[in-house]
Amino acid sequence: QITLKESGPTLVKPTQTLTLTCTFSGFSLSTSGVGVGWIRQPPGKALEWLALIYWNDDKRYSPSLKSRLTITKDTSKNQVVLTMTNMDPVDTATYYCAHSSNWEVDYWGQGTLVTVSS
Amino acid sequence: QSVLTQPPSASGTPGQRVTISCSGSSSNIGSNTVNWYQQLPGTAPKLLIYSNNQRPSGVPDRFSGSKSGTSASLAISGLQSEDEADYYCAAWDDSLNVVVFGGGTKLTVL
Repeated sequence: QITLKESGPTLVKPTQTLTLTCTFSGFSLSTSGVGVGWIRQPPGKALEWLALIYWNDDKRYSPSLKSRLTITKDTSKNQVVLTMTNMDPVDTATYYCAHSSNWEVDYWGQGTLVTVSS
Repeated sequence: QSVLTQPPSASGTPGQRVTISCSGSSSNIGSNTVNWYQQLPGTAPKLLIYSNNQRPSGVPDRFSGSKSGTSASLAISGLQSEDEADYYCAAWDDSLNVVVFGGGTKLTVL
């Protein structure tokens, strides 16, 4: 059974750096074809794909946010970490981590709401 | 503005058949498979259709997907009140090298 859970701050101030951790179980991030990605959803708005890290440490980033994002993995801890710099109120959203088979997102975490406000 | 285009809303009465469209381009839908996700109010999205027309285990066969050229569709037959949700399409984009989502379609069961 694949499960993922996001953790991190619920409130960050503008200009701060956000660090989110995805802790997963039921699969290994060293298995060929497997990836873990991050997707966000501002309140009342659509899904926005952010980043993806593959089993072989290949990484993909949203072009519009690439300069602000870093995704890393710790296979031994079954964790993936996303950092986003220079947070702004428009970055207020629910952030989801998700399991991917190649690019296909199939299992989602429950999401964590991050509010950016001073 | 989303790379994939979906109608913002759709509706139907119980028992009806509803379709939701998703329009893209040659770099995404035209050259890659399409997934569909269902997001019930206040919950995380759930995979509904993968590889254009495949249903994960547990998804009722009332849900079906299709793809033609640079467009895809999700069909829901025998509409039920529990189908009221937001639906999103997604595909890999070869030009952007990222997953692209549609803007979502809010389905209302009248």
